[in-house]
Amino acid sequence: EDQVTQSPEALRLQEGESSSLNCSYTVSGLRGLFWYRQDPGKGPEFLFTLYSAGEEKEKERLKATLTKKESFLHITAPKPEDSATYLCAVQMIGQNFVFGPGTRLSVLP
Amino acid sequence: ETGVTQSPTHLIKTRGQQVTLRCSSQSGHNTVSWYQQALGQGPQFIFQYYREEENGRGNFPPRFSGLQFPNYSSELNVNALELDDSALYLCASTHGGQGGTEAFFGQGTRLTVV
Repeated sequence: EDQVTQSPEALRLQEGESSSLNCSYTVSGLRGLFWYRQDPGKGPEFLFTLYSAGEEKEKERLKATLTKKESFLHITAPKPEDSATYLCAVQMIGQNFVFGPGTRLSVLP
Repeated sequence: ETGVTQSPTHLIKTRGQQVTLRCSSQSGHNTVSWYQQALGQGPQFIFQYYREEENGRGNFPPRFSGLQFPNYSSELNVNALELDDSALYLCASTHGGQGGTEAFFGQGTRLTVV
């Protein structure tokens, strides 16, 4: 069965304290892995797409990496405005997205 | 701003009623997908429409139905509402019938069933 899990479920960081979020998946025929940011009561906001193992992408304080079975979202020197739920989703060939449950990130000033 | 708009933003309905949610997709996108997101969970795929035809469906009962119009806008209809249907309903648009590349989401419709 295709499955996406994320860890930790929730993470509290002090401003400037770097950390990583994990997304693990067991799917057949991966087309792409996507990271989204979601603020409370709003729709997910696209961050990154990764297509192959070894690929990395960066945007401001965020860096996403991909291996054959998992992806990491590294947050360097986070700020309070980085507080949100971070969602990982996988897209299989010919299929729609399967989302993980998300990681709720809180960055304290 | 993604260009994907949903209406209404909030809605309260009574158990047993019917509801219609609307979505206007991003310009140039011909594929619309609908997702249900319960509180504290990730979005769950309901179905997808490509060129006015349903071409993929998740594990949702037939009382969840949809339409896509020639301008690629879409509707989600839910009949016989149940309390568990309370959730944020998200619409996502992409280009291409196979799900395309990244999906751009609207702000969602918060449905409360009482």
